[in-house]
Amino acid sequence: AQKITQTQPGMFVQEKEAVTLDCTYDTSDPSYGLFWYKQPSSGEMIFLIYQGSYDQQNATEGRYSLNFQKARKSANLVISASQLGDSAMYFCAMRDSLNAGGTSYGKLTFGQGTILTVHP
Amino acid sequence: GAVVSQHPSRVICKSGTSVKIECRSLDFQATTMFWYRQFPKQSLMLMATSNEGSKATYEQGVEKDKFLINHASLTLSTLTVTSAHPEDSSFYICSATLWTVNTEAFFGQGTRLTVV
Repeated sequence: AQKITQTQPGMFVQEKEAVTLDCTYDTSDPSYGLFWYKQPSSGEMIFLIYQGSYDQQNATEGRYSLNFQKARKSANLVISASQLGDSAMYFCAMRDSLNAGGTSYGKLTFGQGTILTVHP
Repeated sequence: GAVVSQHPSRVICKSGTSVKIECRSLDFQATTMFWYRQFPKQSLMLMATSNEGSKATYEQGVEKDKFLINHASLTLSTLTVTSAHPEDSSFYICSATLWTVNTEAFFGQGTRLTVV
């Protein structure tokens, strides 16, 4: 069974500073995908970044980068130059198996989430 | 990107009544959709996997008769909360799979259900 752990219930950061949100995972499947989503108070799930288990390089999307350390089974999200609009709940999630043949393909397992507050 | 539309966004119902929530894939065919439930400041917990044309697969502890899922077409899955009670009040959100895009899961906007 796969498991995602986010150990930071809440994080605070000063505007324009960088912040790292931690995520560790556990799976026996050699093929998996890791996701980060942002959930503002409205509830919508906003996709931020994806890292495949076989990807050689760390994923980056604008101000978001993923520090992928496969041997340590960690996939930390780094947000650079924080903005007030970054205040939200952030979820790390994993999808096991990149095999598209299964009927449960696409199912995500989520971590507990981290509430990020950006101070002016 | 692919769009998933979920309705209603908010609903208030009386105890004992049933509520139907719709999840539509607007610009792609979704053979598989997932329904999640989220309590305030908590994680998303998978309730069930909905496959077009077949019975849904429910996660352990989720009552099949209470949370009816129908996936009658490739673009629509519905979740019906039957005989709702205050403890069913929660945020329900669906997601859909696009086979050709494995680098993102597409979510609806979510439905905030309040049972009074």
